[in-house]
Amino acid sequence: NAGVMQNPRHLVRRRGQEARLRCSPMKGHSHVYWYRQLPEEGLKFMVYLQKENIIDESGMPKERFSAEFPKEGPSILRIQQVVRGDSAAYFCASSPRDRTLQETQYFGPGTRLLVL
Amino acid sequence: AQKITQTQPGMFVQEKEAVTLDCTYDTSDPSYGLFWYKQPSSGEMIFLIYQGSYDQQNATEGRYSLNFQKARKSANLVISASQLGDSAMYFCAMTSGAGSYQLTFGKGTKLSVIP
Repeated sequence: NAGVMQNPRHLVRRRGQEARLRCSPMKGHSHVYWYRQLPEEGLKFMVYLQKENIIDESGMPKERFSAEFPKEGPSILRIQQVVRGDSAAYFCASSPRDRTLQETQYFGPGTRLLVL
Repeated sequence: AQKITQTQPGMFVQEKEAVTLDCTYDTSDPSYGLFWYKQPSSGEMIFLIYQGSYDQQNATEGRYSLNFQKARKSANLVISASQLGDSAMYFCAMTSGAGSYQLTFGKGTKLSVIP
């Protein structure tokens, strides 16, 4: 029973390049969340997606960042023209969203992005 | 807005002893959920335990228990019989509001288990 899958685990980019981070949710989960963890910090919410829909992107920077969760395939977090400040660990989580009161999110192993 | 505070940047515990990691929270919503996650040095985030604001009893999962004191707004994690593999960062987190999904995390506590 595979958990949340993320790839790549580590990604190195030069300033100005694009970074694409992928996330496959747990089997049976249709809701995906992306979080960012800066060094020595807790995780911060970025965006919440369902299949083909962005539900809440209030935590995502307005420029250069975008996310999608297509009908087929993994969710993608895309960062264009990366800057050094984008260096962080990016975590994806998923949940079934069966509308219970407060639902547990299960996290992937994260992608460590380093911008040179 | 909700807030999670973890006041212990680092903790040490002797192997086989119990340890309590502190977490206080702040929210004006009566409906909320409290979560603990473990982050070992390998980096993944592992879900440990959940407590709902309306739950009458403290949550337990194996060696983990959550000491939920609603009036004090605290949700401390208790790890019994510590093992070397428990050495990790521990994060307290919450969602606030019915149907909410945004997890708010504390800054974490680094636990080191001493043989």
